[in-house]
Amino acid sequence: AQSVAQPEDQVNVAEGNPLTVKCTYSVSGNPYLFWYVQYPNRGLQFLLKYITGDNLVKGSYGFEAEFNKSQTSFHLKKPSALVSDSALYFCAVRDAGTGGFKTIFGAGTRLFVKA
Amino acid sequence: GAVVSQHPSWVICKSGTSVKIECRSLDFQATTMFWYRQFPKQSLMLMATSNEGSKATYEQGVEKDKFLINHASLTLSTLTVTSAHPEDSSFYICSARSPIVIGEQFFGPGTRLTVL
Repeated sequence: AQSVAQPEDQVNVAEGNPLTVKCTYSVSGNPYLFWYVQYPNRGLQFLLKYITGDNLVKGSYGFEAEFNKSQTSFHLKKPSALVSDSALYFCAVRDAGTGGFKTIFGAGTRLFVKA
Repeated sequence: GAVVSQHPSWVICKSGTSVKIECRSLDFQATTMFWYRQFPKQSLMLMATSNEGSKATYEQGVEKDKFLINHASLTLSTLTVTSAHPEDSSFYICSARSPIVIGEQFFGPGTRLTVL
């Protein structure tokens, strides 16, 4: 069975500092990995994904993530945080080998960026 | 980019009534749509996978008769919460699978249901 873990409920960062939001996953086959951001009372906005190819994926709003197969991780990073980055971030995984489309979401990590 | 809309964005209803939530793909055809439920400060829980022209596939623990899903066209899926009760109050989010990009899905803005 596939699963996603976001070990941190909350991450606090000062504006201008680099940020990292952690994610580890478990799938039986090859993973499709995603990061989404959610603002209050809104749906999810897609940030980036890893399907295949280069392990370093660049996405929207200056975010990037690195797929690490040996550590089964897909941490989200940004070199310089903005106050407007404060939101709820979800990591998600889909097992590419199942042939289905079921995506499992992590519990979410709330990011607070202080001015 | 692909847009998915939901209607209504919020609804308040009395206990015992039924509520229908619509999910539309505005500029693409979606053979597969998903319905999620999100409790406050929690993650999204997949409720069911909706396939156009066939019965929805429900996740374990989700009552089929309680949460009726109809995917009658390639651009519309509906979720009806039947005989709603206060414990059904939640944020319901739909998404549509991209017909082009592998693994990608587009999310609607969500519908907040409050049952009094």
